[in-house]
Amino acid sequence: KNEVEQSPQNLTAQEGEFITINCSYSVGISALHWLQQHPGGGIVSLFMLSSGKKKHGRLIATINIQEKHSSLHITASHPRDSAVYICAVNSGNQFYFGTGTSLTVIP
Amino acid sequence: DAGVIQSPRHEVTEMGQEVTLRCKPISGHNSLFWYRQTMMRGLELLIYFNNNVPIDDSGMPEDRFSAKMPNASFSTLKIQPSEPRDSAVYFCASSFGRGGNTGELFFGEGSRLTVL
Repeated sequence: KNEVEQSPQNLTAQEGEFITINCSYSVGISALHWLQQHPGGGIVSLFMLSSGKKKHGRLIATINIQEKHSSLHITASHPRDSAVYICAVNSGNQFYFGTGTSLTVIP
Repeated sequence: DAGVIQSPRHEVTEMGQEVTLRCKPISGHNSLFWYRQTMMRGLELLIYFNNNVPIDDSGMPEDRFSAKMPNASFSTLKIQPSEPRDSAVYFCASSFGRGGNTGELFFGEGSRLTVL
């Protein structure tokens, strides 16, 4: 049983396309995190959300608490966006992670 | 700010040896996390400290694993004795949490452990 489900698992897009990655969770949460992991292995926090919507540059993250669902959108995608995107939820003292979405943006 | 600093970046050791991984969190952060990442299981939380106190260690695989945080600027994760199945990348992250929220996570670059 996975507390966090992400889709799709793999995604290939042409440069410039609008991209959406989805995350559904089954536990009560205090916050949801979107993380980015580049091929070199480092992990960067993109967003931390507990409600509504956040925007940073070309990235937008939304969360619907009632539906237990979050989306990460990338507008005008670029090859440098190629990475694994991981959804994680903070539930009490626990963290649950999705298995990640591997994104490849082709020039 | 230097960010979260982990050492060593890479370690190769033989089965049965003791392994110690180190982490220096960002100054001022009150929460520290140890995670493990493998191809099979993805990212897993091992243990979480708040104000240097272990809050939840239910993710620690077994008694061979132990973690300490003797002060706000240093933590260790020790594996003794190590086994090949412990091979993974171990990440340390810190945050400033308040009100039951862990806050934004800042990750170190990870320690890649290979146990032969």
